[in-house]
Amino acid sequence: GAVVSQHPSWVICKSGTSVKIECRSLDFQATTMFWYRQFPKQSLMLMATSNEGSKATYEQGVEKDKFLINHASLTLSTLTVTSAHPEDSSFYICSARDWGSGENSPLHFGNGTRLTVT
Amino acid sequence: AQSVSQHNHHVILSEAASLELGCNYSYGGTVNLFWYVQYPGQHLQLLLKYFSGDPLVKGIKGFEAEFIKSKFSFNLRKPSVQWSDTAEYFCAVLASGGYNKLIFGAGTRLAVHP
Repeated sequence: GAVVSQHPSWVICKSGTSVKIECRSLDFQATTMFWYRQFPKQSLMLMATSNEGSKATYEQGVEKDKFLINHASLTLSTLTVTSAHPEDSSFYICSARDWGSGENSPLHFGNGTRLTVT
Repeated sequence: AQSVSQHNHHVILSEAASLELGCNYSYGGTVNLFWYVQYPGQHLQLLLKYFSGDPLVKGIKGFEAEFIKSKFSFNLRKPSVQWSDTAEYFCAVLASGGYNKLIFGAGTRLAVHP
């Protein structure tokens, strides 16, 4: 079945540095990918919708200059957390839909990336 | 705007007990509804989904959910839980719009004791 690969699975970085998270659709093309953030014991929060070949659409309250999203190809979207701070520590999850399976096909999720900023 | 409400944040059951997790949504139009499960240390997986037709939807691992339009509900049920069902469960509604965003509930953490 369709698989979404997310890398790295966990990362520790120092405050002020930037971290890039990759999300790949392995056996399907994804014109749209979604980036979520999960706080401990809380629900997933949609951060942005990544669109291949165009600018990402950010949800209200999400800083687009801090969370840079690039969707350069039909199988890869990246989320870069710039100038990371400890409050950015969280679990980030990407998802994608295999549009080739129809518009009602379910979302496939990556395994998530746990970011810890020290 | 669409929203999803899960009333039970933390549920503790013994094995073989029956399970029902509540989910209510707010949206007046046609809805697509989902239940996802996240096992410890794993990614979210789709349990079941409702688009149209029979309001009683059967999913994987013995789970089912019933769509009751008049109550704006989509509760998840399982007649007899197992220890391996320990996980976090998320109800979600497919929002309208060009990108079909999924809006999630807050999740319910289920712990099943042997």
